[in-house]
Amino acid sequence: QSVLTQPPSASGTPGQRVTISCSGSSSNIGTNYVYWYQQLPGTAPKLLISRNNQRPSGVPDRFSGSKSGTSASLAISGLRSEDEADYYCAAWDDSLSGWVFGGGTKLTVL
Amino acid sequence: EVQLVESGGGLVQPGGSLRLSCAASGFAFSSYAMSWVRQAPGKGLEWVSGISYSGSDTYYADSVKGRFTISRDNSKNTLYLQMNSLRAEDTAVYYCAKQPNQVREFDYWGQGTLVTVSS
Repeated sequence: QSVLTQPPSASGTPGQRVTISCSGSSSNIGTNYVYWYQQLPGTAPKLLISRNNQRPSGVPDRFSGSKSGTSASLAISGLRSEDEADYYCAAWDDSLSGWVFGGGTKLTVL
Repeated sequence: EVQLVESGGGLVQPGGSLRLSCAASGFAFSSYAMSWVRQAPGKGLEWVSGISYSGSDTYYADSVKGRFTISRDNSKNTLYLQMNSLRAEDTAVYYCAKQPNQVREFDYWGQGTLVTVSS
């Protein structure tokens, strides 16, 4: 059971906009930044969104992040086949003094 | 170019020990915090342990506390994870990851090394 809650799956057709939610608590998302990672099949995770809504260099602006209270969301617009991957949210947890991850969302591009 | 290369994984019996290494290059290793994150087969990501840039502060997930020890040698640009009393549930790919500081993002990841705990 992950500390952060994500839907296990999401899907969309090319060109569509999809969102992935991430729910936490006051000790993690409520007080700290949320980060999103993309893991393509068979590869290491890659930082996708930093500090709630910042895109690292090289990440397309089709990807965006937001946070409100103890929840966060990742939005992907103009969905492409290469976006098919697992997506994870993460945050530092003050109560645990450690990092917590969501269980991951498998995105399928139909 | 930032590079993180893990090594030391393999097959070990329950109760055994293993030491993982992560060789870093392409950045000022001694200025950055580091962490180990693992992924069991077919499962999600789980943070295991983290260490400050100097090595003076260390952090552990409850699942490994008392069994695993993280350390670093800044003169060798290398991060370590000593794993003792290994259990079947420790079977996973172990990634090392670079961080600006302990509560900031994992901005670069290694390719991972597989640890299998089985008799």
